[in-house]
Amino acid sequence: GESVGLHLPTLSVQEGDNSIINCAYSNSASDYFIWYKQESGKGPQFIIDIRSNMDKRQGQRVTVLLNKTVKHLSLQIAATQPGDSAVYFCAENEVSGYSTLTFGKGTMLLVSP
Amino acid sequence: ETGVTQSPTHLIKTRGQQVTLRCSSQSGHNTVSWYQQALGQGPQFIFQYYREEENGRGNFPPRFSGLQFPNYSSELNVNALELDDSALYLCASSLDGTDHQPQHFGDGTRLSIL
Repeated sequence: GESVGLHLPTLSVQEGDNSIINCAYSNSASDYFIWYKQESGKGPQFIIDIRSNMDKRQGQRVTVLLNKTVKHLSLQIAATQPGDSAVYFCAENEVSGYSTLTFGKGTMLLVSP
Repeated sequence: ETGVTQSPTHLIKTRGQQVTLRCSSQSGHNTVSWYQQALGQGPQFIFQYYREEENGRGNFPPRFSGLQFPNYSSELNVNALELDDSALYLCASSLDGTDHQPQHFGDGTRLSIL
């Protein structure tokens, strides 16, 4: 079936830098997208979501951008901190009678002090 | 607000055995979804329960089954365990299975098959 993919498997940044994690999705029927952060030994933690009728949404230090024309999603983290080191997943959600998330493989973000 | 809790945290079984994993949903959430996460991969959808009924299913065989109880907690049962069933099993709850509501995950059960 269709799935969400990520361009970069590993991203290494310095503390204080801004990070950008990219994601391509292929299912044009997806209308809701979520970014999750997963630390070692833990479950995915909700970061931010965006609906398909929006192209940008901001949270605390994070911004999600959605480009439906090219089916691209990105997560921007401002002033990256060592505690941001984790695997980041984008997930697409197609609601058709029920809601299911389709995840990609994830991007490892490594933040050096 | 109590988050999603799963038990046990770790489990070791042998091929052919059966296993039951448990999940308590976040307070106020009526929908529970189960996912399987192999090492180095993203979670894969197994099935979803909404108000005690299976509401959707991914590409998993019938030996993967589940239940949801009146308090919205849930069980995942796997029969005739295979080596490839070794994975992290994640439970996620949400307010409504048919709307744009974020799913919130527990920390999972690590299942190892010997």
